[in-house]
Amino acid sequence: GAVVSQHPSWVICKSGTSVKIECRSLDFQATTMFWYRQFPKQSLMLMATSNEGSKATYEQGVEKDKFLINHASLTLSTLTVTSAHPEDSSFYICSAREYQQVFEQYFGPGTRLTVT
Amino acid sequence: RKEVEQDPGPFNVPEGATVAFNCTYSNSASQSFFWYRQDCRKEPKLLMSVYSSGNEDGRFTAQLNRASQYISLLIRDSKLSDSATYLCVVNVGTGGFKTIFGAGTRLFVKA
Repeated sequence: GAVVSQHPSWVICKSGTSVKIECRSLDFQATTMFWYRQFPKQSLMLMATSNEGSKATYEQGVEKDKFLINHASLTLSTLTVTSAHPEDSSFYICSAREYQQVFEQYFGPGTRLTVT
Repeated sequence: RKEVEQDPGPFNVPEGATVAFNCTYSNSASQSFFWYRQDCRKEPKLLMSVYSSGNEDGRFTAQLNRASQYISLLIRDSKLSDSATYLCVVNVGTGGFKTIFGAGTRLFVKA
């Protein structure tokens, strides 16, 4: 149980275009989803926290107009990287927390984004 | 100062060796503690939670010292398959807690 999927697993796009990444909880309802970014040889950095049906809370330094997050249902959250630039190339990982699970979160397999 | 600090390594050890990882955290309001394992280009996977009383899972032993704000992970009888990056993870706050990841310690186990 507690499986989280992400789609796509990797994507290459041109500078200036937008890319949407989906995060789904397959066998549980995720009231909270987290989006992380990881650059090579660095740790995961939390970008934002989203609760179903409400606006996402962004971490300091993360542009909310550039990284659009939608958590419209209990099983799906999307991250859209708008007007992507090469410096946005990174490994994006989502995680999901089940209702009433206070501490444990389940990670998706990640999406590797390369902006050319 | 980083909220969660780890020795970046890498640790290069032979098979069968015992290796210890250390981690310190700065926020005294930290509530829960974990060790995750991350393989190259993969997502982190929970290895074990860390309790004040210490806990053991096979070859892995985790310890927490709240007074010193220090967490450790001990791996005994290292296997080649233990090669990975080990992440120290701390949850801060209650209810709407925030998860802080350490930068990770890279382990290479060699035959």
